[in-house]
Amino acid sequence: AQKITQTQPGMFVQEKEAVTLDCTYDTSDQSYGLFWYKQPSSGEMIFLIYQGSYDEQNATEGRYSLNFQKARKSANLVISASQLGDSAMYFCARPLLFGNEKLTFGTGTRLTIIP
Amino acid sequence: DTGVSQNPRHKITKRGQNVTFRCDPISEHNRLYWYRQTLGQGPEFLTYFQNEAQLEKSRLLSDRFSAERPKGSFSTLEIQRTEQGDSAMYLCASSFFLGQGNEKLFFGSGTQLSVL
Repeated sequence: AQKITQTQPGMFVQEKEAVTLDCTYDTSDQSYGLFWYKQPSSGEMIFLIYQGSYDEQNATEGRYSLNFQKARKSANLVISASQLGDSAMYFCARPLLFGNEKLTFGTGTRLTIIP
Repeated sequence: DTGVSQNPRHKITKRGQNVTFRCDPISEHNRLYWYRQTLGQGPEFLTYFQNEAQLEKSRLLSDRFSAERPKGSFSTLEIQRTEQGDSAMYLCASSFFLGQGNEKLFFGSGTQLSVL
């Protein structure tokens, strides 16, 4: 099975500090992609960042970056200079097949930013 | 607001009743997806449409579930004879599929169903 594992059910981080959310995945595919989504208490899943397996550089989107290590099959999300509004659930996800739209999600990490 | 819109936000029903949810995707998006999310879990894929065609259904989608997307615009998800195990958040997402690579899905805020 193409499983996504997020081992941190919850994290507490001081405001303005950087935080790393872990994600590991199973795959036998040569080509694949990885997504991170944020889910605030409103319920909406908000796209944060995407990494393709053939991308040579780690993806960055503003304060979000991916620490992508193919050999270790990990795609950790790094949030720099955390803000109170970053408090939410964070999900790592990947398509079952490259170019396929069916995402399989991890169980998520609940991030709480402490003022 | 041009995001994905879902109605209602919350639905409480008695076991055995039928319920219907609506999703309005982003207007230019050709693909529409339904996911289900239970407490403490990530969303699970249920089904998706490309325009008006329903291209795939998950084994999670029992015969009591039916989804439609007439004219390739909004979609409805109906659950017949609801059971307590159907209680979950039902999320709709849409994307503009170009035919290759991975798409970014845009999600709505979901419909929270509680079956008593």
